[in-house]
Amino acid sequence: DAGVTQSPTHLIKTRGQQVTLRCSPKSGHDTVSWYQQALGQGPQFIFQYYEEEERQRGNFPDRFSGHQFPNYSSELNVNALLLGDSALYLCASNRGVAGNTIYFGEGSWLTVV
Amino acid sequence: GEDVEQSLFLSVREGDSSVINCTYTDSSSTYLYWYKQEPGAGLQLLTYIFSNMDMKQDQRLTVLLNKKDKHLSLRIADTQTGDSAIYFCAGGYNKLIFGAGTRLAVHP
Repeated sequence: DAGVTQSPTHLIKTRGQQVTLRCSPKSGHDTVSWYQQALGQGPQFIFQYYEEEERQRGNFPDRFSGHQFPNYSSELNVNALLLGDSALYLCASNRGVAGNTIYFGEGSWLTVV
Repeated sequence: GEDVEQSLFLSVREGDSSVINCTYTDSSSTYLYWYKQEPGAGLQLLTYIFSNMDMKQDQRLTVLLNKKDKHLSLRIADTQTGDSAIYFCAGGYNKLIFGAGTRLAVHP
C-alpha cells in the first residue's frame, strides 16, 4: 500500500520564478492538504482540497494556489517566488473532509536563490 | 487563536523513558497526533488519540490526554538511539496546528 508520494524531492528556483509541486494521496484517501515547514519550525497549513475544491485556506498569499484532480492527486503552485518561500513543502492526505487519520509524505525541498 | 506549545529540547539516556509534553488551545480537535521527523525527512505518523479517550498504548508508546488541562503527553519506553528525532504534536479539526517540535537526543 503506497503512502503519500510527492515530487520532486528537491528543487532550486530563482526569485520571481514559478514552481509546481505534486502529490499523490495514500490509497483510499480523497482529501489532500498542503503544509509549509520553514527550517526549525513546525509545519504551517496552506490549504486543503476535497472533491476538487479548495475547502479551507491558511494565512498564505494568493501567490500560493492549488488544484486537485479527479484521481485525488494534487498540485501546489507558487508564483513570483521569494527567498522566504524556501522551505519543505509537505502534502498530507486523509479520508473525508475532517477527522480521520492524517498521513504525510516525505516532502519537497524548495530552495529559492 | 489556535496554538500548540511544546518544550524545545529533551535529553535522555538510552534505555530510560522519555516524556514529551504538549499543551493546546483548540477544543475542536477530533484527533490529537504525534509525528516524528528525522533529519531531512517528512513526518512519520507515530500515534494518535481520539479526543474522547484518556490514554492510548501502542507498543513502546503511551499517549495521555488531559482534556480539562488541554495537555497531551507522549511517553517512549526503553528509549533507543534510533528514537533521536524531532517530535511534533498536532491537533485540529480539518487542518492541523503544530507545535514547534521537541528535539529528543538519546545518549549512551
